[in-house]
Amino acid sequence: DQQVKQNSPSLSVQEGRISILNCDYTNSMFDYFLWYKKYPAEGPTFLISISSIKDKNEDGRFTVFLNKSAKHLSLHIVPSQPGDSAVYFCAETSGSRLTFGEGTQLTVNP
Amino acid sequence: NAGVTQTPKFRVLKTGQSMTLLCAQDMNHEYMYWYRQDPGMGLRLIHYSVGEGTTAKGEVPDGYNVSRLKKQNFLLGLESAAPSQTSVYFCASGRDAVQYFGPGTRLTVT
Repeated sequence: DQQVKQNSPSLSVQEGRISILNCDYTNSMFDYFLWYKKYPAEGPTFLISISSIKDKNEDGRFTVFLNKSAKHLSLHIVPSQPGDSAVYFCAETSGSRLTFGEGTQLTVNP
Repeated sequence: NAGVTQTPKFRVLKTGQSMTLLCAQDMNHEYMYWYRQDPGMGLRLIHYSVGEGTTAKGEVPDGYNVSRLKKQNFLLGLESAAPSQTSVYFCASGRDAVQYFGPGTRLTVT
């Protein structure tokens, strides 16, 4: 039973526009949500996180929003750049373990 | 700092062969993890360790064994490889909520 779901396998946006990546979850007893970015032939790298007690966290061009009533979070990238093209994973943490979504391939077109 | 390193980067095995994947971290992290990544399935936790000498099962532990004899090393073993174990394997280490990943090992079992 998938606890963290990313329903969009891919997303394509134009350079300079906003990219919105979405994630839904079922488990309400989490500590943090994290977003990771993964380039081909590399390991995932940590991007940004949000605590269960917050509804927004911002770091430069990246903002994560958490809607606990809808059990939904989203990652906004503004403005999008070609170097942002990668697979993005959301992950839920509970204790010392992470549960990952399936990933969304973001392509930013010049 | 090298961060998290994995050996080897690539390997091809025949069904029934055994092998060990080595993970090393130089960040003095207590927690270490082994994941596998398959297309459309995100990263799934195989085994993890919360400290030297300890190991625990993750989501997909069958067919794998692990050992954590030293804090900086976490070994993943396949005793009798099967084609279903063809995957990309990632090691990670961490503390608090964030995990740091190695570059991955691409394993093909024929």
